[in-house]
Amino acid sequence: DVKVTQSSRYLVKRTGEKVFLECVQDMDHENMFWYRQDPGLGLRLIYFSYDVKMKEKGDIPEGYSVSREKKERFSLILESASTNQTSMYLCASSFNRGTSTDTQYFGPGTRLTVL
Amino acid sequence: GIQVEQSPPDLILQEGANSTLRCNFSDSVNNLQWFHQNPWGQLINLFYIPSGTKQNGRLSATTVATERYSLLYISSSQTTDSGVYFCAVPMNRDDKIIFGKGTRLHILP
Repeated sequence: DVKVTQSSRYLVKRTGEKVFLECVQDMDHENMFWYRQDPGLGLRLIYFSYDVKMKEKGDIPEGYSVSREKKERFSLILESASTNQTSMYLCASSFNRGTSTDTQYFGPGTRLTVL
Repeated sequence: GIQVEQSPPDLILQEGANSTLRCNFSDSVNNLQWFHQNPWGQLINLFYIPSGTKQNGRLSATTVATERYSLLYISSSQTTDSGVYFCAVPMNRDDKIIFGKGTRLHILP
């Protein structure tokens, strides 16, 4: 079974803090994704990566950065957390099929509260 | 870009009832995924179904790509079926997908 893990289920941080959210997958997937989920807005893509050291902006990258130093690990960084970044953060991974998208497998999510 | 619409937005049913959830998409796609998000937030992929019909226990899904819709059927609902059901389709030629807003299903005991 594919396993995607996230470093924390719940996280509380203060405005201005630097926040690291870690995601690890064990299926040798090329693609990894970070989403945030907010009531009424659904899932929105923040960043994704299709290879080590590669990253692409999603729909809402402002205020975030990412790091992919190893294939299995994809980190989301909030350089200076703000209250409007309070949200549920979901990490996912998938194989790179080339011509079509493959199934995405999700981690359990991190519920971040910024005070 | 491609639009994904799900209906109904909310559904409340008694345990044992059957239900049909719909996903419409605005452009041709080469695959479609259905997910279930449980009350604790975990997203589980149910089906990867570019066309045709697939079944997994009490759940089945049908995608009619030429008419740009997919249906998820849940038979003999159980309280553990509660949660939000999302469909998702590819955004373009890379590996990104776009999600619908979901159908929130609540099964009453």
